[in-house]
This record gives sequence, structure tokens and C-alpha cells, in this order.
Amino acid sequence: DTAVSQTPKYLVTQMGNDKSIKCEQNLGHDTMYWYKQDSKKFLKIMFSYNNKELIINETVPNRFSPKSPDKAHLNLHINSLELGDSAVYFCASSHKRGWGDTQYFGPGTRLTVL
Amino acid sequence: AQSVTQLDSQVPVFEEAPVELRCNYSSSVSVYLFWYVQYPNQGLQLLLKYLSGSTLVKGINGFEAEFNKSQTSFHLRKPSVHISDTAEYFCAVKIVQTSYDKVIFGPGTSLSVIP
Repeated sequence: DTAVSQTPKYLVTQMGNDKSIKCEQNLGHDTMYWYKQDSKKFLKIMFSYNNKELIINETVPNRFSPKSPDKAHLNLHINSLELGDSAVYFCASSHKRGWGDTQYFGPGTRLTVL
Repeated sequence: AQSVTQLDSQVPVFEEAPVELRCNYSSSVSVYLFWYVQYPNQGLQLLLKYLSGSTLVKGINGFEAEFNKSQTSFHLRKPSVHISDTAEYFCAVKIVQTSYDKVIFGPGTSLSVIP
């Protein structure tokens, strides 16, 4: 069984469109994250949720809106997509907030904005 | 603020040779330290981590790392690499504080194992 899953795996869309990426974890973890990995492989955290509560919100344009309907799901909605949004987006989860817990990553969603 | 430096962006090495991937961090408080590996077209997975205790940490796939507090380093080593070790390796730090949850990743080191 896949521990952290994301859909879709690939997303190609036009500038200005709105799109969503879904993430689900079946590990029973309390904390979930969204990361953006750019073309140079640099990985940066965007958001973190703990038990459906937003706890980290990095300097991300407000076109990006995370939503956590329950602690097993953390979706990412992006409005008015721009060329610079093209990247690989990773969802991750960890057991508890604030400890040295391992983060478990999903396979990534490669977003291409044309 | 915390930061992570991986001085080598690319490391080519011949199969069965030893390898060391360097990681240095900057922090005024205690941190947890991690090494993650990303195989092509996949997500990251944990290789090993240092939380406390012995400064030599052993991980999966024959990798190990040593925490050196005075040099603020956490270098990753493997005595003999395989083709399958070709991947991107990320060093990461996290502050030791229960209310703090942010993990900061280094820029990554691309390891290429040459047959």
C-alpha cells in the first residue's frame, strides 16, 4: 500500500488556469506538508498542517491555498497559474509535530504551465 | 536563522569506490540532522538521521554519517558505491523545539556512479 500518494502525477496546463493537486497519507500521521522543488532540485517548504491546522505558511503567493479536510488529506489549490509555478510539488507527512520525525514523501506532481 | 550548505553540487565516482558527500549547517540552537535520497523521478526517502547520542549514525543501503558539533558538519559516507546509488542526496536540519516544525533542506548533491 502506498504510504503517501499524490494525484495527478503530471499536470500540464495553460497560464491563468486554476488547478488542484491532491495528497493522501495512510500512515496515521498528524502532520502534512507541501514542498516545491524547482528545476535546480532546490526543495522548499510551502505549507505545513498539523491535525488540519495550518502551522507553517512560508512566503507563498496567496494564489496557493492548501486545504485539509481531515488529517489524512492535504490538497493544494492554485489559482491563476503562472509560468514560474512550473515545478515538482511534493506532499509529505510525519508522525508528530516538532520532533525529529522522519518525513515520508509522496512521488511528486510535475506541474508544467504553458 | 538556520541554513544548510552542500558544497558539492555534483559528485562523480567510480563503482565500488568510496564516497563522501559533505554537509555543513549553521544554527545557534540544537538541531536534528537528516540525509534524504531522491532517486530519479521519485520522492525523497530517509537515509539516516541524527537526533542525539552516538555521533556516528548508520543508515540504509550501507550509508553512514558522522555528526561533528565543533565543525557543524554531518558528512555522508559509503565505503563502496553501486550503480544503484546514483541519485540526488539532500542534507536537512530541523530545530530541536517541540513547537517548531520546519525542516530546511540543503541544495542537494547529485551523485553519479560510473561503471
